[in-house]
Amino acid sequence: QQPVQSPQAVILREGEDAVINCSSSKALYSVHWYRQKHGEAPIFLMILLKGGEQKGHDKISASFNEKKQQSSLYLTASQLSYSGTYFCGTEILESGGGADGLTFGKGTHLIIQP
Amino acid sequence: DTGVSQDPRHKITKRGQNVTFRCDPISEHNRLYWYRQTLGQGPEFLTYFQNEAQLEKSRLLSDRFSAERPKGSFSTLEIQRTEQGDSAMYLCASSFSSGGYTDTQYFGPGTRLTVL
Repeated sequence: QQPVQSPQAVILREGEDAVINCSSSKALYSVHWYRQKHGEAPIFLMILLKGGEQKGHDKISASFNEKKQQSSLYLTASQLSYSGTYFCGTEILESGGGADGLTFGKGTHLIIQP
Repeated sequence: DTGVSQDPRHKITKRGQNVTFRCDPISEHNRLYWYRQTLGQGPEFLTYFQNEAQLEKSRLLSDRFSAERPKGSFSTLEIQRTEQGDSAMYLCASSFSSGGYTDTQYFGPGTRLTVL
């Protein structure tokens, strides 16, 4: 039931682009994306609901492919501040969405080098 | 808005001792969640409250764990007879929900527990 994230780690030069994927074997109601820096709280990035929507702000965007039960996070022209571990948290469809706890993937480590 | 706060930030205890952690959510949030995170893993859901009612518990929450939210504001998580396997970061998150829709959970900085 735990979503699978890929890749496990990415090393980029500042200004390069990255894509992080999150796949589930269960039908999803929503996908939540967070970034966590070492020793700090996970910081909310965005939520995507079933329906295949795409969201974005600044140079970070995400999509949700309902048919594939997969979400992708896109980081464009990466900045040093983007370094950290990115987690997707999922709510499965049979839970009805809403008030349940999220099931997180193991994370993708992103390192941005100057 | 000061965000979600947790206390203490670090706790070292000996095996067999009891420990209690506190979480203060964002003031207008009616939902409060507890998660546990171990090294190299994502947060794992433990339990959540809607106001003062505890509505869901994970099977990870053994009978040594108990959580309360007595007045629908702050929450405490107690671990009795701690074991070395309890060593982890304990994260609290809060959200506001008007019902029926997925809500955004905002995390606190966590309490790192080390059981010797």
